[in-house]
Amino acid sequence: KAGVTQTPRYLIKTRGQQVTLSCSPISGHRSVSWYQQTPGQGLQFLFEYFSETQRNKGNFPGRFSGRQFSNSRSEMNVSTLELGDSALYLCASSPGTGKDTEAFFGQGTRLTVV
Amino acid sequence: AQSVTQLDSQVPVFEEAPVELRCNYSSSVSVYLFWYVQYPNQGLQLLLKYLSGSTLVKGINGFEAEFNKSQTSFHLRKPSVHISDTAEYFCAVSASKIIFGSGTRLSIRP
Repeated sequence: KAGVTQTPRYLIKTRGQQVTLSCSPISGHRSVSWYQQTPGQGLQFLFEYFSETQRNKGNFPGRFSGRQFSNSRSEMNVSTLELGDSALYLCASSPGTGKDTEAFFGQGTRLTVV
Repeated sequence: AQSVTQLDSQVPVFEEAPVELRCNYSSSVSVYLFWYVQYPNQGLQLLLKYLSGSTLVKGINGFEAEFNKSQTSFHLRKPSVHISDTAEYFCAVSASKIIFGSGTRLSIRP
């Protein structure tokens, strides 16, 4: 079974631009969560989608948005990029939304904003 | 609300020595507890999880953790570490969503 796939793996963008990151969950998984990982702030929850609906949202500005498609694939978008958005963005998929459910992580997309 | 505190940001240890990575949590509701490992330039991988039952949980790569409800702790242990255990370890608590601790970087000295 293929794991969680995130594309691209690396990305360099200029301040003010926008970016879209993609996540393909494990086949059969309907829940997708996004996290931002930085050396200073650690792993911070961005949002969670289940069956194309956003279930939870972290404490990030409106520049960060996401969506989930009917095939469970998910995208997150960051508009008007700032230098502080440089981070590793991790996507995780789960079969469901129960709190006992393990999250399976992709390798991440490393975004550098210059 | 839930929170997780990993008490050590870095833990250096000699190869073949035992190690304990500490984790404390707080929550007003019942939670499930996890330990994840992140190797360099990789995503996170589940080491072990506590859902219910025995408070001693065994995971992959020889790691184990003990759930202590009275002390609200879930410390991770390994009796003898190897160079390949060099990684960052994250404790996590799951209620409505998964909340991760700040991570503990384990460095192994030969």
